Amino acid sequence: DTEVTQTPKHLVMGMTNKKSLKCEQHMGHRAMYWYKQKAKKPPELMFVYSYEKLSINESVPSRFSPECPNSSLLNLHLHALQPEDSALYLCASSQDYEGDGNQPQHFGDGTRLSIL
Amino acid sequence: AQSVAQPEDQVNVAEGNPLTVKCTYSVSGNPYLFWYVQYPNRGLQFLLKYITGDNLVKGSYGFEAEFNKSQTSFHLKKPSALVSDSALYFCAVRDTLFYNQGGKLIFGQGTELSVKP
Repeated sequence: DTEVTQTPKHLVMGMTNKKSLKCEQHMGHRAMYWYKQKAKKPPELMFVYSYEKLSINESVPSRFSPECPNSSLLNLHLHALQPEDSALYLCASSQDYEGDGNQPQHFGDGTRLSIL
Repeated sequence: AQSVAQPEDQVNVAEGNPLTVKCTYSVSGNPYLFWYVQYPNRGLQFLLKYITGDNLVKGSYGFEAEFNKSQTSFHLKKPSALVSDSALYFCAVRDTLFYNQGGKLIFGQGTELSVKP
């Protein structure tokens, strides 16, 4: 069982829909991440939250909107997505981001997103 | 520039034989090195890391990795492969020169390991 929980596991949406992906961790980690992963490719970093503040936005289109309501929760709001946005979206957490940096990231099992 | 190379897209091994998955890296400072495994329809699972100290690092599921500074390599090894080891393996590096500037994890392209009975 993973310690980072993502819901839903699967999501199919039309290009005009609005939906949200959710991520939760209870390890006391202060850094949380969103990644996008295409099949058999490495994860691509999208956003990093450190101590509930957005630290990194890797030039992600505005149709993806992250939110960190508290230190345990991370959301990714989706609106007007394109077919090329279909992918596995992974959430991860680690003890911190700007700190020592030697702690691994812990990943959830992802949300498989399909855009019709 | 920081980078990670996994020169083999696929590695095929017979069950019971030793396995090696190769990784080389390029960083400006000292590296923090990680191996992750991804099983089908799952997220990435942390296997092991090298931060400092002993060059041979032991991790989960019987895996180990050897850090070689002169060859800038961090190859993943297991003495006896299992069919259940079949998965996608990612090497990743964090450049300590940049960690306090928001340095991120740089992943290799991944190596698909196939272990046949």
